[in-house]
Amino acid sequence: RKEVEQDPGPFNVPEGATVAFNCTYSNSASQSFFWYRQDCRKEPKLLMSVYSSGNEDGRFTAQLNRASQYISLLIRDSKLSDSATYLCVGISGGYNKLIFGAGTRLAVHP
Amino acid sequence: NAGVTQTPKFQVLKTGQSMTLQCAQDMNHNSMYWYRQDPGMGLRLIYYSASEGTTDKGEVPNGYNVSRLNKREFSLRLESAAPSQTSVYFCASSEGVGDISSGNTIYFGEGSWLTVV
Repeated sequence: RKEVEQDPGPFNVPEGATVAFNCTYSNSASQSFFWYRQDCRKEPKLLMSVYSSGNEDGRFTAQLNRASQYISLLIRDSKLSDSATYLCVGISGGYNKLIFGAGTRLAVHP
Repeated sequence: NAGVTQTPKFQVLKTGQSMTLQCAQDMNHNSMYWYRQDPGMGLRLIYYSASEGTTDKGEVPNGYNVSRLNKREFSLRLESAAPSQTSVYFCASSEGVGDISSGNTIYFGEGSWLTVV
């Protein structure tokens, strides 16, 4: 089993829709979690950190469920500019060792 | 406002050739990393350098060598390229010595597309 697993998608949604991605993780990648965004042929960029209590940044909400070992990202009121691949990232016990999921692709259409 | 700069952006190599990917950061970060990204695999850590003068293997180090030339620069060398090394390579850096979870963001370069034929 991969340490961090994501549904590859693509998720095709209309503008204004609410979409949610889940990511599951194994114990080895369980220290801290992040969501990164990666545009086509670009580098990953940090979208938000994921805290146990959940956190919100504008239209984006991240939740961590340690009991079920999954992380979620909710995007409300989707924009065309949200079209990208969203990478779920955990940290292993090693030094700053980020464990990346393969990514979930989101396509928002008019 | 360069951040992390990688060169070259694109390269085609023949099997057995060698090459070096260059990376430099201007954020005075202590830690630097090399990742590769393959379809369906996610980014995987090749090597990292916690601080100037130190380097350590990551998840997939075979076939690669690295040099932390100074605090700014961290190069990745392929001594004898193989088709399995066809990938997108990302250099990255982070500020803190040891703790991304405390909020030290990791910053990526724009990537280097390498094809080995």
